[in-house]
Amino acid sequence: DADVTQTPRNRITKTGKRIMLECSQTKGHDRMYWYRQDPGLGLQLIYYSFDVKDINKGEISDGYSVSRQAQAKFSLSLESAIPNQTALYFCATSGSGGHFSTDTQYFGPGTRLTVL
Amino acid sequence: LAKTTQPISMDSYEGQEVNITCSHNNIATNDYITWYQQFPSQGPRFIIQGYKTKVTNEVASLFIPADRKSSTLSLPRVSLSDTAVYYCLVGSGYSTLTFGKGTMLLVSP
Repeated sequence: DADVTQTPRNRITKTGKRIMLECSQTKGHDRMYWYRQDPGLGLQLIYYSFDVKDINKGEISDGYSVSRQAQAKFSLSLESAIPNQTALYFCATSGSGGHFSTDTQYFGPGTRLTVL
Repeated sequence: LAKTTQPISMDSYEGQEVNITCSHNNIATNDYITWYQQFPSQGPRFIIQGYKTKVTNEVASLFIPADRKSSTLSLPRVSLSDTAVYYCLVGSGYSTLTFGKGTMLLVSP
């Protein structure tokens, strides 16, 4: 969905490096999410944010941190990247008109991260 | 969280109707059922959501029996472009959604 953009789209880095993945949205949504997807598997929730002042850990937050710089921006950081963090990372947004889990989530195009 | 079970994969041919069933035996009273579609190297896309009985939109239909312990996503007359992974999710309130492995649907000519 062009309303949700992620940068970079592809990144190769080395073990121990700090990496930041950025997400921006123009949908005016309050809620934003970061997911990780490994080959052949479903998506795992890393962090989510209901609004600028709210940050929550998901299923697999260890080794990751996030920053909600503005309503439209939610960045994911890998403080010291390791090879098993090699995956496809997706950002998503949803509105706040209803219950969290029934909101339609709109996903970005993904960032393919390779840690050597 | 209600756990869901769906087939790992399904095969079909163009023009056929495809039904993908999802089991969610411990669904809670307030839970809704949502289906997403994911193409390779793209983010999932919302298809349909329902609570009970039948829901239909321009893309699919969702059938939910009275006991709500399962649901069936129905795709009418599939085409090659419907080849994708389909996820069934169950949740309510402020519970996080869990995307399992989904069902890989392969549509052949």
